[in-house]
Amino acid sequence: SAVISQKPSRDICQRGTSLTIQCQVDSQVTMMFWYRQQPGQSLTLIATANQGSEATYESGFVIDKFPISRPNLTFSTLTVSNMSPEDSSIYLCSARPGLAFQETQYFGPGTRLLVL
Amino acid sequence: GDSVTQMEGPVTLSEEAFLTINCTYTATGYPSLFWYVQYPGEGLQLLLKATKADDKGSNKGFEATYRKETTSFHLEKGSVQVSDSAVYFCALTLRSGAAGNKLTFGGGTRVLVKP
Repeated sequence: SAVISQKPSRDICQRGTSLTIQCQVDSQVTMMFWYRQQPGQSLTLIATANQGSEATYESGFVIDKFPISRPNLTFSTLTVSNMSPEDSSIYLCSARPGLAFQETQYFGPGTRLLVL
Repeated sequence: GDSVTQMEGPVTLSEEAFLTINCTYTATGYPSLFWYVQYPGEGLQLLLKATKADDKGSNKGFEATYRKETTSFHLEKGSVQVSDSAVYFCALTLRSGAAGNKLTFGGGTRVLVKP
């Protein structure tokens, strides 16, 4: 299994600013992911964070808006850039220890972001 | 594309009632299926999973059976408690290529159990 922590747990930000969310896993993992959960809705994958290379983004998400870093096998960051109220969401980090698709993905507690 | 459909909530029950949450999927490959639970103010926790047809996942009194013939993975619990109040998400991943990295979620079903 994997235990995941995120910082900050919540924040209130002004439009036009940027926020970087940190994700720390208690063990080395192969795969890390970032999801967005808009108010009252389900989860949508933003991108897969690849160690040592650029993230792989899903349709509708771009690197300029959501730059991602993954410097090692236990840590990743997501930046929400030039924020607008529409970016108000919960952002969740997820990790999967191995490559096998049927393995469990573990989730962090989420970062609750409110943009004014 | 691949998708997961869950029954809409909220589902309101009395304590000790029987709970069923329907989940059906469409997938181009042969998926693994998961149920996650999100308690108020928290992140997602894996509740149970099944990786092949006819597998039954179970945990904390919850059960779900992978039915390939009906493309379903319905969640059941025989006697719910107030502490089961949460949002439940059905999800799948696929075997092939990049799609195997991605969890596709249903819309979530909010369950409220009253004493």
